[in-house]
Formats: sequence, C-alpha cells, structure tokens
Amino acid sequence: DSGVTQTPKHLITATGQRVTLRCSPRSGDLSVYWYQQSLDQGLQFLIQYYNGEERAKGNILERFSAQQFPDLHSELNLSSLELGDSALYFCASSALSGLRYGYTFGSGTRLTVV
Amino acid sequence: AQSVTQLDSQVPVFEEAPVELRCNYSSSVSVYLFWYVQYPNQGLQLLLKYLSGSTLVKGINGFEAEFNKSQTSFHLRKPSVHISDTAEYFCAVTRGSGTASKLTFGTGTRLQVTL
Repeated sequence: DSGVTQTPKHLITATGQRVTLRCSPRSGDLSVYWYQQSLDQGLQFLIQYYNGEERAKGNILERFSAQQFPDLHSELNLSSLELGDSALYFCASSALSGLRYGYTFGSGTRLTVV
Repeated sequence: AQSVTQLDSQVPVFEEAPVELRCNYSSSVSVYLFWYVQYPNQGLQLLLKYLSGSTLVKGINGFEAEFNKSQTSFHLRKPSVHISDTAEYFCAVTRGSGTASKLTFGTGTRLQVTL
C-alpha cells in the first residue's frame, strides 16, 4: 500500500456520461497530481494541485476538471465522455519538497467508456 | 521544457543475464531524474532517483543507474535479472520549481525476462 488511495478501481460507463474519480493523498502530502495512461499516448500529465490551489496544467481537456478540497483529497471530473477517454487514471502525491523525491502513485482507476 | 526519450520500447532478456534500459533527457536547466517500474495491473513504484552528487545511483531490487551529464543520459542497469523483473519501466524528469512541478515521463520500456 503506497498510502495514496484512489477510488473506484474500475469504472465502466457510457459515452456522454460524467464520472468523478477520487484521490486521497498520502498523509502529510500537500500536492496532488493527475495522470492519464493510455496505450497510444503513454503517461500524460493532466493537472497539479497544491494545498487546494491549481499549480500546473498539462494536457487536460476542457471536458475534464479537477479540484482539491480542504482535507487535501482531490477529485477529477470527466464529462461528455468519449470512447477515447478510456484509460488508466493515476493520482500521485508529494510533500512540499516532494519533487526532489519523486511522487507516490496510487494504484489507479481504470475507466472504460462503452 | 524538459523531455525524456526511452530508446527501446521492448527489451527481451534471459533470466540471470545483465540488462540496460536506456534513457536520454533534454533540458536547458538542471534536472532531477527518476526511474519507475509498473508491474501488470499496478501503479508506478519508484526504483531510484538522481538529485545531485554521485552519478551512480543505487535503487531497489538490485537496480542502479548512472547519470551522464555530457551525454544527457540516465541508463538503468541490473547485473542479473529475475523473472519477477518483468514489467514496464519508465524514465522521468522534472525541473521542479517551488510548489509547481510535474514529472515528464518517457514512453516506457517493456522488460520481458524469460527462462
């Protein structure tokens, strides 16, 4: 157990629907990162939050949004889902100085859009 | 912006043989470099990291990597692999500044160890 908890582990939904992925960071970590892993795109950085504020943005679609709550857990919202959104979504966390030590990853949420 | 190139998408190797997984990076500033491993149906696990200092970095499971600034490389090595090392390996780089940072990953190298 890495200490980063992601729920649900698996999600199957239809095109056009909206889903929410949840991430609880490791205790004491203030930064949360979201990554998308797909066969054709590899690991793509989506977005970073630090202590509730957005800090860095990557290749995140406008249909996707995220937030980090006061208790530091984070949610990634995916809407108007398309078949191409099927992927493994990872959350990672790090402490303030965690960037020097790499991230701790959760085990991911596998999203299948049918 | 920094980027990472993993030169081999797949590396087949026999058990107990040595292996090297290649990684080259590009960045105009100093970077931190990492290797992660992903076993089937699991998340990413940190193998080792280079921050500064000694260019030879030792990690978990007998892996090591050497930072070569002149060749902008950070190749991962293991002198004798085991079947259980079969996994996907990712090289990653971050420049990192304050509280805004991100890891940029390579496309991964699939290490397949066979008897």
